[in-house]
Amino acid sequence: DQQVKQNSPSLSVQEGRISILNCDYTNSMFDYFLWYKKYPAEGPTFLISISSIKDKNEDGRFTVFLNKSAKHLSLHIVPSQPGDSAVYFCAASAHSGAGSYQLTFGKGTKLSVIP
Amino acid sequence: GAGVSQSPSNKVTEKGKDVELRCDPISGHTALYWYRQRLGQGLEFLIYFQGNSAPDKSGLPSDRFSAERTGESVSTLTIQRTQQEDSAVYLCASSPAFADNEQFFGPGTRLTVL
Repeated sequence: DQQVKQNSPSLSVQEGRISILNCDYTNSMFDYFLWYKKYPAEGPTFLISISSIKDKNEDGRFTVFLNKSAKHLSLHIVPSQPGDSAVYFCAASAHSGAGSYQLTFGKGTKLSVIP
Repeated sequence: GAGVSQSPSNKVTEKGKDVELRCDPISGHTALYWYRQRLGQGLEFLIYFQGNSAPDKSGLPSDRFSAERTGESVSTLTIQRTQQEDSAVYLCASSPAFADNEQFFGPGTRLTVL
């Protein structure tokens, strides 16, 4: 069963407009959520995160919103730039009894920003 | 370099052979994770090391998979008797002891089993 779901495999947005990437989760034990960005042939790079005690976190052009009751989070990028074109992964973690903060990832959304 | 490095970047092997993948974490990072990403899928957790604690092996898909880490340095992931379904990109990540949620990823090793 997929505990983190990104239902849109791809998204195209015009340069300068807002990009909204969505993510849903099913495991209520998740208490920390992250977005990673991945370019081809590179490892994912951390973008922004949010703790379950917050409902919004902003960092420059990137804002993550968390709706715990709906088990939904979203990443807003505004304004979108061509360099933002990449695959975006939503990830979640819950501190396990073994001490690990293993991340559970969605399948990713490929964002294309059109100049 | 200051980032996580992995070798080889690509590995093609025949079904039934053993392979060994290497990860060099960021210096000073005590936590190390292995993930794999199969085509069209998200990253799947495999194993976690933290200092000298017993590793969390809960994500290893079968007993053909094993991993070792020497202290807080290099880790190797070994896959014995490889199968075609093992074909994937294997990613290593490390993080500082007290910032476990932000993991820094290496570029991955693309494994192809023929």
